[in-house]
Amino acid sequence: DAKTTQPNSMESNEEEPVHLPCNHSTISGTDYIHWYRQLPSQGPEYVIHGLTSNVNNRMASLAIAEDRKSSTLILHRATLRDAAVYYCILRDGNQGGKLIFGQGTELSVKP
Amino acid sequence: GAGVSQTPSNKVTEKGKYVELRCDPISGHTALYWYRQSLGQGPEFLIYFQGTGAADDSGLPNDRFFAVRPEGSVSTLKIQRTERGDSAVYLCASSRGVSGTGELFFGEGSRLTVL
Repeated sequence: DAKTTQPNSMESNEEEPVHLPCNHSTISGTDYIHWYRQLPSQGPEYVIHGLTSNVNNRMASLAIAEDRKSSTLILHRATLRDAAVYYCILRDGNQGGKLIFGQGTELSVKP
Repeated sequence: GAGVSQTPSNKVTEKGKYVELRCDPISGHTALYWYRQSLGQGPEFLIYFQGTGAADDSGLPNDRFFAVRPEGSVSTLKIQRTERGDSAVYLCASSRGVSGTGELFFGEGSRLTVL
């Protein structure tokens, strides 16, 4: 399974944008980039995924580098409720199957 | 609700005892996954089912761990001769299929404490 690298922690101020980076230099052509987040005492929840093009949904935006070796999850206006651990995961588009979680980035949001 | 349901939410047991953890997936979801999570770590994959069969059990740590899904819906994770190191939150997830683009829906987990 392809590996991702994320900072251990980041801080943000409430109502400011947050850019969460992820490096995946060994990504293969069929790997999708998935982001999940885990709020305290809850199971992980899906945030967004993409292959090559940038993606937007109601929760966040995903910016994917042209060479696909890195991506950035963008929260446009952080709220206190966005404080969570954010996981960047590669998933084979052909085989699918399990998600392999790394350590993730713990995001704290200051009022 | 219509989400993934896990029972019990908390289980305290003694070393050496047998434990069963249950997962009710979202109706119609054919894929079901088990993970465990220790404090401060990301979820660790254990096993996943496509229908009734285990498609990948490569994450089960040893033969004390076993999971079943006899009718392709509810699943039970079974742990024999529990050890203190088995203490963790056990998470279950389900998805419509196993496509690489699909979304996994997670339950809130079963917290297991082995004394």
